[in-house]
Amino acid sequence: NAGVTQTPKFQVLKTGQSMTLQCAQDMNHNSMYWYRQDPGMGLRLIYYSASEGTTDKGEVPNGYNVSRLNKREFSLRLESAAPSQTSVYFCATHREVVETQYFGPGTRLLVL
Amino acid sequence: RKEVEQDPGPFNVPEGATVAFNCTYSNSASQSFFWYRQDCRKEPKLLMSVYSSGNEDGRFTAQLNRASQYISLLIRDSKLSDSATYLCVFSDSNYQLIWGAGTKLIIKP
Repeated sequence: NAGVTQTPKFQVLKTGQSMTLQCAQDMNHNSMYWYRQDPGMGLRLIYYSASEGTTDKGEVPNGYNVSRLNKREFSLRLESAAPSQTSVYFCATHREVVETQYFGPGTRLLVL
Repeated sequence: RKEVEQDPGPFNVPEGATVAFNCTYSNSASQSFFWYRQDCRKEPKLLMSVYSSGNEDGRFTAQLNRASQYISLLIRDSKLSDSATYLCVFSDSNYQLIWGAGTKLIIKP
């Protein structure tokens, strides 16, 4: 089992370009999350999806959109990238019974 | 006051020593508490949950002090492989997780 996978691993964008970060899980978990991690700060929640067909804003949703395509896949889209979106992006799933989150390996994004 | 505060470190500790660090939280309604470990340029992974009565997993002991609103992590007989950043996490009133920025631990031979 792959767990949680993310693509791409690295990306460099110019200001104003768009891109989609992909996340897929084979753990059969209902909830999925997108976080960003910046130096000196804790993980900050961008969007989450409690179940297939639902999405909700987290702490820092501005500049992002998400799609919960099916139970397995949850994508994050940057419509017009800005340098402030330079960060490491993590996708995670949530196992309710034991309240554990499982993370993908992350996407390192640099916006010039 | 920040929702969760951790000493960023780094804590430089000789191999075999005992090290402890705390994490304070501001939301008194928090119900769930966790320690995650994050290796350099890797994803966070659950180290252990923190229960009201305190809990131990091998060389690791976690404790919760609700009155003073902090959790602690104690590592005994530290190993080189314990070098990592330790993230304090708790749930807010909406059951979302709030993450600390982490405490960096470096174990020296």
